[in-house]
Amino acid sequence: AQSVAQPEDQVNVAEGNPLTVKCTYSVSGNPYLFWYVQYPNRGLQFLLKYITGDNLVKGSYGFEAEFNKSQTSFHLKKPSALVSDSALYFCAVRGPNAGGTSYGKLTFGQGTILTVHP
Amino acid sequence: EAQVTQNPRYLITVTGKKLTVTCSQNMNHEYMSWYRQDPGLGLRQIYYSMNVEVTDKGDVPEGYKVSRKEKRNFPLILESPSPNQTSLYFCASSFKGGNTIYFGEGSWLTVV
Repeated sequence: AQSVAQPEDQVNVAEGNPLTVKCTYSVSGNPYLFWYVQYPNRGLQFLLKYITGDNLVKGSYGFEAEFNKSQTSFHLKKPSALVSDSALYFCAVRGPNAGGTSYGKLTFGQGTILTVHP
Repeated sequence: EAQVTQNPRYLITVTGKKLTVTCSQNMNHEYMSWYRQDPGLGLRQIYYSMNVEVTDKGDVPEGYKVSRKEKRNFPLILESPSPNQTSLYFCASSFKGGNTIYFGEGSWLTVV
């Protein structure tokens, strides 16, 4: 079974400082990995994804994530945080296109609340 | 414009009163699914469908039903809602094997 862990319920950073939101995963085969952001009372917004290729993936709003196969991690990063980045962030994994009951299913982490202080 | 549309967006209902949350996509996607979001639990899959007339249970199917009579629609049915089904619900769709997943805006459901 596939799973995702976001070890930090909350992350607090000062504006202008770099931020990291951690994610580790477990899945059979090569994973598809995603980050989504949710602002208060809003739906999910796609940030970025890793499918194959370069381990460093760049996404929306200046975010990037690094895929590390040996550590089974996909941490979200941003060099300089903004107050407007404050939101709930979800990491998700999708198993490879191999059929079976997990086919196509996105498994989400429990979410990390990012707060950026002025 | 490619989109997944859910209705209603907000609903307060009473225990036991049947309700349906509709989901429609305009991208000819084969795969559709429903998730519920609860604090500290992330999003959990309720049901999914790989194509017309093909549906299966996700991780938390109890108390829900779905149908897939047409490719574009995947309604979520709560036959007898209970307060523990108070949640934020998301519908999602994608092509089979696709790596771009589209989400609806979410439906806030409160059962009193």
